[in-house]
Amino acid sequence: ETGVTQTPRHLVMGMTNKKSLKCEQHLGHNAMYWYKQSAKKPLELMFVYSLEERVENNSVPSRFSPECPNSSHLFLHLHTLQPEDSALYLCASSQGVRGTDTQYFGPGTRLTVL
Amino acid sequence: SQQGEEDPQALSIQEGENATMNCSYKTSINNLQWYRQNSGRGLVHLILIRSNEREKHSGRLRVTLDTSKKSSSLLITASRAADTASYFCATSYVEYGNKLVFGAGTILRVKS
Repeated sequence: ETGVTQTPRHLVMGMTNKKSLKCEQHLGHNAMYWYKQSAKKPLELMFVYSLEERVENNSVPSRFSPECPNSSHLFLHLHTLQPEDSALYLCASSQGVRGTDTQYFGPGTRLTVL
Repeated sequence: SQQGEEDPQALSIQEGENATMNCSYKTSINNLQWYRQNSGRGLVHLILIRSNEREKHSGRLRVTLDTSKKSSSLLITASRAADTASYFCATSYVEYGNKLVFGAGTILRVKS
């Protein structure tokens, strides 16, 4: 649909589980992002990667661990999450990390932590 | 917080009417972008307006920017039921390394 795909679309996990979210972009972009969207709160930027290097870590707890093996793939590894981590996790990509670059979003992964 | 604030938080109109959403921000920006999000889905970019521009059009969308008031508005003309979505402004601040900062959004409902 937008050139950015995310899997899985829905995930339910216990607090002791380890899971990973996957994002893939087919747009030839150099930058990728993870955002968290909680109910009734603004979109929160979590991580930014530019040319596979992390350029932004927005004070995210260590139970979230990103990985960017190449410019087309981005992972978010989850470990010992809390119920308040339940949210929609959105991946995005853009040509660069300039503010003028349009970000293209995936459909998101709806995460529920029990 | 440097986040933009949208106003109103929610808007309900009849099909065919115009919808106007506003966004206010706090400090100097490079540009301002508007995005749309259908329920539970990803965001879709609508339009970007640079700090030296005052108005831009794209189809039924009209965006204005008033840097003296630090505000922007998004007008959707002749609304359709398919326009029902949440609309977000995102600002690119010079002092924040040009990263985008999203507002909380306006929920638009267009009734047919």
